[in-house]
Amino acid sequence: TQLLEQSPQFLSIQEGENLTVYCNSSSVFSSLQWYRQEPGEGPVLLVTVVTGGEVKKLKRLTFQFGDARKDSSLHITAAQPGDTGLYLCAGDIYGGATNKLIFGTGTLLAVQP
Amino acid sequence: GAGVSQSPSNKVTEKGKDVELRCDPISGHTALYWYRQSLGQGLEFLIYFQGNSAPDKSGLPSDRFSAERTGGSVSTLTIQRTQQEDSAVYLCASSYGQGGTTNEKLFFGSGTQLSVL
Repeated sequence: TQLLEQSPQFLSIQEGENLTVYCNSSSVFSSLQWYRQEPGEGPVLLVTVVTGGEVKKLKRLTFQFGDARKDSSLHITAAQPGDTGLYLCAGDIYGGATNKLIFGTGTLLAVQP
Repeated sequence: GAGVSQSPSNKVTEKGKDVELRCDPISGHTALYWYRQSLGQGLEFLIYFQGNSAPDKSGLPSDRFSAERTGGSVSTLTIQRTQQEDSAVYLCASSYGQGGTTNEKLFFGSGTQLSVL
């Protein structure tokens, strides 16, 4: 059973386009994180969202946590080739009682110059 | 070193052999995690160490998998009698382990690519 579903699985776009990646679950998360992973490397944390409805911006990246804390989205404006990578959401469904994160299925993004 | 170090970076083994994967966490990090990642997929939780507490082994897929953490630092993941379905990238991460994930930041190593022939 996959607790965190991401969509789309694959996305290939041209430089300058906008895109949105979704992370959905039937479980409530006390917090949710987004990571980016480049080939041959481990994931790198981009942001953590905690409050339902929270919006965080990181340059051209906008992260939103759903009001019910069951879903999240990542929007990239004017994508650049450097944005290419595997985007992973990860959530804590244990209320912070443990440090065990459940990772999503991933979205592989390719930005063509 | 400044980051999480994993070795070897690549391991090719024959079916039925045992393998050991090593992780050196960031100095001062009390929490250490092992995850498994199949090609282009998300991460599957395997095991979690926090300080001197008993490890959370709930993600280990079978009794062929085991892990230990010596002296609260270096960790070794051992896979006995490897099978082809064990082929994956094994990622290690460490964090300060403040308790709860709200403020936790996981730092990942580059992983060990395991190929079982």
